[in-house]
Amino acid sequence: DVKVTQSSRYLVKRTGEKVFLECVQDMDHENMFWYRQDPGLGLRLIYFSYDVKMKEKGDIPEGYSVSREKKERFSLILESASTNQTSMYLCASSLRGRIASSTDTQYFGPGTRLTVL
Amino acid sequence: GNSVTQMEGPVTLSEEAFLTINCTYTATGYPSLFWYVQYPGEGLQLLLKATKADDKGSNKGFEATYRKETTSFHLEKGSVQVSDSAVYFCALPLNTGFQKLVFGTGTRLLVSP
Repeated sequence: DVKVTQSSRYLVKRTGEKVFLECVQDMDHENMFWYRQDPGLGLRLIYFSYDVKMKEKGDIPEGYSVSREKKERFSLILESASTNQTSMYLCASSLRGRIASSTDTQYFGPGTRLTVL
Repeated sequence: GNSVTQMEGPVTLSEEAFLTINCTYTATGYPSLFWYVQYPGEGLQLLLKATKADDKGSNKGFEATYRKETTSFHLEKGSVQVSDSAVYFCALPLNTGFQKLVFGTGTRLLVSP
């Protein structure tokens, strides 16, 4: 069965802390994504990776960075957490790489609800 | 890139009522269209999809038909259950050749007994 896991369901951090959110998929997928979900705004793409060590900025990359050293793992890093980064963070993966069929499905993890105090 | 507009919620229904959640899109060509569902406390999961015009996607009693004439992909269910209470997202690829999806803002469905 397809599985995307995220390291924490709930996380509370203080302003200025460095925060790591981890995502692991076991489906040998090439693409991985980080979104944030906020009420009234839906899902917004933060970063996208289509291969190991490859990344592309999404719609709202400011204040975030990512790391993909292994195919199955995609990390989101908040270099200096701020209160406006309080949100639900969702990781997703899909099968194929940069040039792909438009029919591929994205599979989501359960989400990490991050609160920055 | 492509875009999607989804009706605002919440949609509040009694059990066994008929459900429609509207979704319209703007796209180049005829991309695949998706409905995702998010149950309370969980991530999104694919509910159904349609890969070409006039296709009907269906799953768990939900249906949506890809209508290119009206650029719509409305989600319907004939008889909702309390367990259908969730947030529903319409989505399509941002552009051709890539895997990024653009999502609607989501519609919350609340079903009461």
